[in-house]
Amino acid sequence: EDKVVQSPLSLVVHEGDTVTLNCSYEVTNFRSLLWYKQEKKAPTFLFMLTSSGIEKKSGRLSSILDKKELFSILNITATQTGDSAVYLCAVEAVGNAGNMLTFGGGTRLMVKP
Amino acid sequence: GAGVSQSPSNKVTEKGKDVELRCDPISGHTALYWYRQSLGQGLEFLIYFQGNSAPDKSGLPSDRFSAERTGGSVSTLTIQRTQQEDSAVYLCASSLFLSSVYGYTFGSGTRLTVV
Repeated sequence: EDKVVQSPLSLVVHEGDTVTLNCSYEVTNFRSLLWYKQEKKAPTFLFMLTSSGIEKKSGRLSSILDKKELFSILNITATQTGDSAVYLCAVEAVGNAGNMLTFGGGTRLMVKP
Repeated sequence: GAGVSQSPSNKVTEKGKDVELRCDPISGHTALYWYRQSLGQGLEFLIYFQGNSAPDKSGLPSDRFSAERTGGSVSTLTIQRTQQEDSAVYLCASSLFLSSVYGYTFGSGTRLTVV
């Protein structure tokens, strides 16, 4: 059974801090790993990672994948209160019926002023 | 449409009643997914449609849940004889068959409350 585990479950930091969110996975027929930010109901896409060791960057956010050790990290530098959200990691795998997403339980980040 | 559209946005129903949730995916997206998010939980996969293939129903929690996708576009998730534990946000997502660099696009969800 495919499994995605995120840590920590929750995190409270102050503005300006740097945070690292972790995602480890066990899937068959791995295709990609995706990070989402969920503030209200619908998750919004952050990154898709398919290759090991190549950092993806968007502003203060960056992410990297290690396909040998089966994990990914999401870094947020100089955090702001607007970064407060649940960050979801999902792994895409190729199944008999097509591509499937398995989500982790999320990391709830709270950034205090 | 420009995004994934779900309706209704909120639904309150009495225990034992049936409900239908609708998802209108992005035009041209052949893959459509239903997920459920209970309070404080991660996303739970329910069902997946890919083109004209038989759907993957492996995530449906009970036989009270069913879904269909008509004409490869709009999908309806039906919950029969609702129970209080069905209360959750039901999210729909769509993607191209070969998932694009932009990943999957989610709708805003339907918040279902069973009283």
